[in-house]
Amino acid sequence: NAGVTQTPKFQVLKTGQSMTLQCAQDMNHNSMYWYRQDPGMGLRLIYYSASEGTTDKGEVPNGYNVSRLNKREFSLRLESAAPSQTSVYFCASRPEIGIGYGYTFGSGTRLTVV
Amino acid sequence: GQQVMQIPQYQHVQEGEDFTTYCNSSTTLSNIQWYKQRPGGHPVFLIQLVKSGEVKKQKRLTFQFGEAKKNSSLHITATQTTDVGTYFCAGEEAKLTFGTGTRLTIIP
Repeated sequence: NAGVTQTPKFQVLKTGQSMTLQCAQDMNHNSMYWYRQDPGMGLRLIYYSASEGTTDKGEVPNGYNVSRLNKREFSLRLESAAPSQTSVYFCASRPEIGIGYGYTFGSGTRLTVV
Repeated sequence: GQQVMQIPQYQHVQEGEDFTTYCNSSTTLSNIQWYKQRPGGHPVFLIQLVKSGEVKKQKRLTFQFGEAKKNSSLHITATQTTDVGTYFCAGEEAKLTFGTGTRLTIIP
């Protein structure tokens, strides 16, 4: 039982390059999330998908796009990377939005933009 | 928008001492969740509190949800080296908003 799998684990990009962070869960969860974590700022929500076919902006969506490819997969795309996007990115999922459900997090992608 | 503040930011304790972190929300919450993140790791769900005044225990960890459902606390009794990490609260209104976390380090 893998839970939430993120790839890659580490990535270095040059300013202006693009890349896609991949996330897949095998728990049949409906809701999926992308967070970024910066020192002293906790986890901030970038985008989320309450269910397959829907996506919504979170707290810090600028510079990112997402695709809910199917129920299992939720990808995050950086179209033109900037140094301010250097961060640790976590994907998370839960059965559905609502009381009673904690989040299951992936192991993270550590991204550096130079 | 919803804001969740957590104090202290850092806490250093001797092994065996108690530890408490506090969480305050600017709005009333439907529920509050607690997560632990080990150094270099990812957040791991610990518990969810839903009812006003609720108290839950997990071994040496005690979680409380305030009467007004705007604050919460996590208390660890007799800390051990395995307790090292950052503890986050996360409040749910329309979305889950994480606090800034309290980093616990333990002096053996």
